[in-house]
Amino acid sequence: TQLLEQSPQFLSIQEGENLTVYCNSSSVFSSLQWYRQEPGEGPVLLVTVVTGGEVKKLKRLTFQFGDARKDSSLHITAAQPGDTGLYLCAGGKTGRRALTFGSGTRLQVQP
Amino acid sequence: EPEVTQTPSHQVTQMGQEVILRCVPISNHLYFYWYRQILGQKVEFLVSFYNNEISEKSEIFDDQFSVERPDGSNFTLKIRSTKLEDSAMYFCASTMEEGEKLFFGSGTQLSVL
Repeated sequence: TQLLEQSPQFLSIQEGENLTVYCNSSSVFSSLQWYRQEPGEGPVLLVTVVTGGEVKKLKRLTFQFGDARKDSSLHITAAQPGDTGLYLCAGGKTGRRALTFGSGTRLQVQP
Repeated sequence: EPEVTQTPSHQVTQMGQEVILRCVPISNHLYFYWYRQILGQKVEFLVSFYNNEISEKSEIFDDQFSVERPDGSNFTLKIRSTKLEDSAMYFCASTMEEGEKLFFGSGTQLSVL
């Protein structure tokens, strides 16, 4: 069974603070995606990383794929209330259509 | 930006009844998926569909489940005889090419009583 564990499960911070969310697995994935999900909506893709060690930046969000392609992190700089939401990582494997989702990190940014 | 549309947004049914969840994927997309999310749990893969046939399915997708693309625009998930444990948010998703960005709909919240 491929499992993706995310930590922390919940995070409540003040506006302007930095934070990092982790996504870990014992399995190797060919790609790792990060999604954000708002209440009552489906997940929305933020980024896909495919190469071990890859770093991608999306404005204040920095995504990293571990060298061994078993883990990933999402770092948010100077968090804003608009960053509030559920962050999900999802792993893909070559030859498979299914994505394996993590349990999610619920982020709340207080103004 | 184009959207995946799901109807209804909420469905309440009695245990043992059949339900059909409907999805209109983005028009030029070729790969279609159903995922579900039980309240407080992970998003789980159910099935993928390509070229008018199932290309992959999970253990959850047993004989009670079926999918269909009846008319080239709709993509449906049927649950033949619903169980209490089928209560979940069901998400449809589509993509143009395998490995490309996956677009999710807003989901159908299914409640089985």
